[in-house]
Amino acid sequence: GNSVTQMEGPVTLSEEAFLTINCTYTATGYPSLFWYVQYPGEGLQLLLKATKADDKGSNKGFEATYRKETTSFHLEKGSVQVSDSAVYFCAPIWMTSYDKVIFGPGTSLSVIP
Amino acid sequence: EPEVTQTPSHQVTQMGQEVILRCVPISNHLYFYWYRQILGQKVEFLVSFYNNEISEKSEIFDDQFSVERPDGSNFTLKIRSTKLEDSAMYFCASSPKADTQYFGPGTRLTVL
Repeated sequence: GNSVTQMEGPVTLSEEAFLTINCTYTATGYPSLFWYVQYPGEGLQLLLKATKADDKGSNKGFEATYRKETTSFHLEKGSVQVSDSAVYFCAPIWMTSYDKVIFGPGTSLSVIP
Repeated sequence: EPEVTQTPSHQVTQMGQEVILRCVPISNHLYFYWYRQILGQKVEFLVSFYNNEISEKSEIFDDQFSVERPDGSNFTLKIRSTKLEDSAMYFCASSPKADTQYFGPGTRLTVL
């Protein structure tokens, strides 16, 4: 079935470091791709999305590009802040008759001053 | 900006009791979902709902679970007889067209 693999955490970075969180999905069709973020004690917030190949989603300094050839949607940020400490979920949606989000396992990020 | 809301934020119940978790989706959305997240684990799909009926449910969503849209605004998840392993964070989500899903803040259910 459809699935998503995400870089395991936890990831600890110093402030202003470069962040990459890898995400790949099984190549069954062409899903829409999302990153969600969960700050401590809070719910799931949509961070960014891309709905077709080569689209780049961006928000709050985060970016991810839909790479059909490598079935990947890696999350990047050039300079992380302490406030970026959260759990990040890669989440494809396959637009068949069923539209559930399949969440990756989540990557916990801690940014230290 | 419109948001999905959920009540209560935290529900504590005794094993075997019934609970109803409530959600108010974004008003012009047509697709509704429930997910759950057991502490420290991944977010799991429970059920999707469209046009007043279930469109898909996971193996987790057994006969103990039911969903309802009793009026034009609420979307509820009922667990008939709670078990210890039902303790989790439950998230409601809604979507305008089976694409981007917007999640509520969650209800933390604790079964004692």
